[in-house]
Amino acid sequence: GESVGLHLPTLSVQEGDNSIINCAYSNSASDYFIWYKQESGKGPQFIIDIRSNMDKRQGQRVTVLLNKTVKHLSLQIAATQPGDSAVYFCGVTGGGNKLTFGTGTQLKVEL
Amino acid sequence: EAQVTQNPRYLITVTGKKLTVTCSQNMNHEYMSWYRQDPGLGLRQIYYSMNVEVTDKGDVPEGYKVSRKEKRNFPLILESPSPNQTSLYFCASSLSTRAGVEQYFGPGTRLTVT
Repeated sequence: GESVGLHLPTLSVQEGDNSIINCAYSNSASDYFIWYKQESGKGPQFIIDIRSNMDKRQGQRVTVLLNKTVKHLSLQIAATQPGDSAVYFCGVTGGGNKLTFGTGTQLKVEL
Repeated sequence: EAQVTQNPRYLITVTGKKLTVTCSQNMNHEYMSWYRQDPGLGLRQIYYSMNVEVTDKGDVPEGYKVSRKEKRNFPLILESPSPNQTSLYFCASSLSTRAGVEQYFGPGTRLTVT
């Protein structure tokens, strides 16, 4: 089955710097990738997604990069703000309806 | 307001006492799913439903039941809860039957089984 791992359980950045959160997956047939943000005491909130026919997708202050060769996914947050402090999860589907999540990276923004 | 609601938000119960956690969405979504979240393990899918009367097992279905009699509701049933089911539970829904497509999550239900 699919396994998804995040590279760092915790990431600390200074306010205003860019943040990069990484995710690795195991199934080369995975075709859909998604990032969620989870603030303390709340449910996960959709941030951005990307399909396997793309390498990059941009949203508001966020960019997702997909490297299918090494099965690596990253989320970049520009000009990180205190409100970005949260746990970030990547999710991967290998076809059908099965979504597998990584364990999450806690992003801490230092003032 | 478009949302997924769960009840109760917090529940403490004893081993073996049947319980139901309700989930309801007001977005006319076809796809609904239950997850449990445990430290170090992330979100794991328990059951999902692609439409009314269509349900299927996720990664960790043992000890749980679900039903989908109406499109908006997807209750999670623990017939005989055990302490290893102590966890944080999330219900989610999405318009598409494809998992991951902008799933909307509920606020979570924290369950403690003693």
